[in-house]
Amino acid sequence: SAVISQKPSRDICQRGTSLTIQCQVDSQVTMMFWYRQQPGQSLTLIATANQGSEATYESGFVIDKFPISRPNLTFSTLTVSNMSPEDSSIYLCSARAMALNTEAFFGQGTRLTVV
Amino acid sequence: GNSVTQMEGPVTLSEEAFLTINCTYTATGYPSLFWYVQYPGEGLQLLLKATKADDKGSNKGFEATYRKETTSFHLEKGSVQVSDSAVYFCALSARNTDKLIFGTGTRLQVFP
Repeated sequence: SAVISQKPSRDICQRGTSLTIQCQVDSQVTMMFWYRQQPGQSLTLIATANQGSEATYESGFVIDKFPISRPNLTFSTLTVSNMSPEDSSIYLCSARAMALNTEAFFGQGTRLTVV
Repeated sequence: GNSVTQMEGPVTLSEEAFLTINCTYTATGYPSLFWYVQYPGEGLQLLLKATKADDKGSNKGFEATYRKETTSFHLEKGSVQVSDSAVYFCALSARNTDKLIFGTGTRLQVFP
């Protein structure tokens, strides 16, 4: 199993500013992902964080808005840039080993409110 | 493409009632299937999983059987408790991708 620490756990930000969310995994994992979960909704995958290269973004998400870093196997950051109230959501970090039958582990999430 | 369909909630039950939350999937090949639970204010936790047809995953009194013929993975529990109140997500991992695909989630509310 893996324990994922995510911070901050919550924040209230002014529109037009940026917030960087950090995700630390307690063991080396192959894959890391960032999800968004809007209130009462399911999880939407933003991107796969690739070690040492650019993240792979899902349709509807772009690097300029959600830059992602992954400098090593256990750490990743997601930045929400030039925020608007529509970015208010829960952002979740997830990690998974390479084997196809393995489950994904999740951080506690970052609850972001943009005012 | 790959997708997961869950029954809509909320599901409201009295304590000790029987629970079923339906989940069906569409996927290429033979995916792995998962149920996750999200308690209020927390991240997702794996509840159980099944990796091949006819496998039964079980944990904390919850069970789900991988039914290839009906492409289903319904979650069941014989006697729910108030502490089971949470949102439950069905998910799949297809063989040709490293991503998990989630259903829309089903909120369970259990009253004493």
